[in-house]
Amino acid sequence: QVQLVESGGGVVQPGRSLRLSCAASGFTFSSYGMHWVRQAPGKGLEWVAVIWYDGSNKYYADSVKGRFTISRDNSKNTLYLQMNSLRAEDTAVYYCARDGNYYDSSGYYYPGGWFDPWGQGTLVTVSS
Amino acid sequence: EIVMTQSPATLSVSPGERATLSCRASQSVSSNLAWYQQKPGQAPRLLIYGASTRATGIPARFSGSGSGTEFTLTISSLQSEDFAVYYCQQYNNWPPWYTFGQGTKLEIK
Repeated sequence: QVQLVESGGGVVQPGRSLRLSCAASGFTFSSYGMHWVRQAPGKGLEWVAVIWYDGSNKYYADSVKGRFTISRDNSKNTLYLQMNSLRAEDTAVYYCARDGNYYDSSGYYYPGGWFDPWGQGTLVTVSS
Repeated sequence: EIVMTQSPATLSVSPGERATLSCRASQSVSSNLAWYQQKPGQAPRLLIYGASTRATGIPARFSGSGSGTEFTLTISSLQSEDFAVYYCQQYNNWPPWYTFGQGTKLEIK
């Protein structure tokens, strides 16, 4: 079955760095765009970043642009989020999620924009 | 930036009754609208995409409607497992930008 498993969360001091990983299984990872979405404690959902199936395009929310980097290793079926210059407001559960993209009959890639499925999440706490 | 506003913030409904949740976009998102269900301590689950297409495995009692700026999620006959928080999300695929509503908590009356 399709499965996404995040890891790498923990407690980190403001200004420091952390790298999250998301291990994918049960589907052809290299055919799908992937997202990171976060949820601060007791709050709603915030999209963080997306990467195209082949890593050719990456986009970020304004709140993390210039500090976070999304990447992937299709040979390892793994998605990453490198988080630098962390702030208290980055404290959240971080979820990876697969994009609902599709291909037409010519094999042209279309991003979907919805998120399915999601991993179980990993908690990042930024505190001194 | 497209702002998504959900109403009401909390909805109290009895099991077996119908629930209607609303989502409004600050500008047209066409049919680029998804709905998610989130239970405490769990990851969100996709229910609807394309404003009205049910995701794989989602029961028929869940239905979505709307286009442009006004959207509705209807749960026709509430089951105990449906009490949760529901989020709408718009997806603007070029340039990619995705925003969620603040959520509607569906609670047992």
